[in-house]
Amino acid sequence: GAVVSQHPSWVICKSGTSVKIECRSLDFQATTMFWYRQFPKQSLMLMATSNEGSKATYEQGVEKDKFLINHASLTLSTLTVTSAHPEDSSFYICSARRGTSGSTYNEQFFGPGTRLTVL
Amino acid sequence: AQSVTQLDSHVSVSEGTPVLLRCNYSSSYSPSLFWYVQHPNKGLQLLLKYTSAATLVKGINGFEAEFKKSETSFHLTKPSAHMSDAAEYFCVVSDRTSGAGSYQLTFGKGTKLSVIP
Repeated sequence: GAVVSQHPSWVICKSGTSVKIECRSLDFQATTMFWYRQFPKQSLMLMATSNEGSKATYEQGVEKDKFLINHASLTLSTLTVTSAHPEDSSFYICSARRGTSGSTYNEQFFGPGTRLTVL
Repeated sequence: AQSVTQLDSHVSVSEGTPVLLRCNYSSSYSPSLFWYVQHPNKGLQLLLKYTSAATLVKGINGFEAEFKKSETSFHLTKPSAHMSDAAEYFCVVSDRTSGAGSYQLTFGKGTKLSVIP
């Protein structure tokens, strides 16, 4: 149980276009989903936290107008990279957490990641 | 505020020898601690977690870690390295964010484990 999927796993796009990445919790309801960005040979950096039905909370330095996050249901969150540029090329990883925000069980389950390359 | 320090960016061991990946943390509250493994171009897989139960935690693939509060450490060990263990390992701390009532993960910078045949 506790499987998180991402689609697509790999995408190449032209500069100036928008790309949507989907994150799904397959066998549980995710009250909270997270989006991370990972540069080559570096650690994961949290971009934003989203709760179902509410606006995402972005980390400092992350442009909310560029990285649009929609958490429309308890099993789906999407990240849209708008007007992508080569510097947006990265590995994007989502994770999902089940349980209430006050729960002491705080394990996150990670998706396999999406490799974005902007030409 | 919470933070994680992985003391070695790269560890190289011979196949069949012990593995030690070091991690120190700081946390304002009682943290949960995790070790994740990431193989090239793959997502993260949970190896083990500590959530205030037994201080010696056993995980998958023969890995284990010991939570030492006095040393604020959570080092990852394995008695005998296998070629398939070669990957990036992340130590992660989870703590209640101040005032928010929710938990956030903070990742270490990672340790790359190389296994020499």
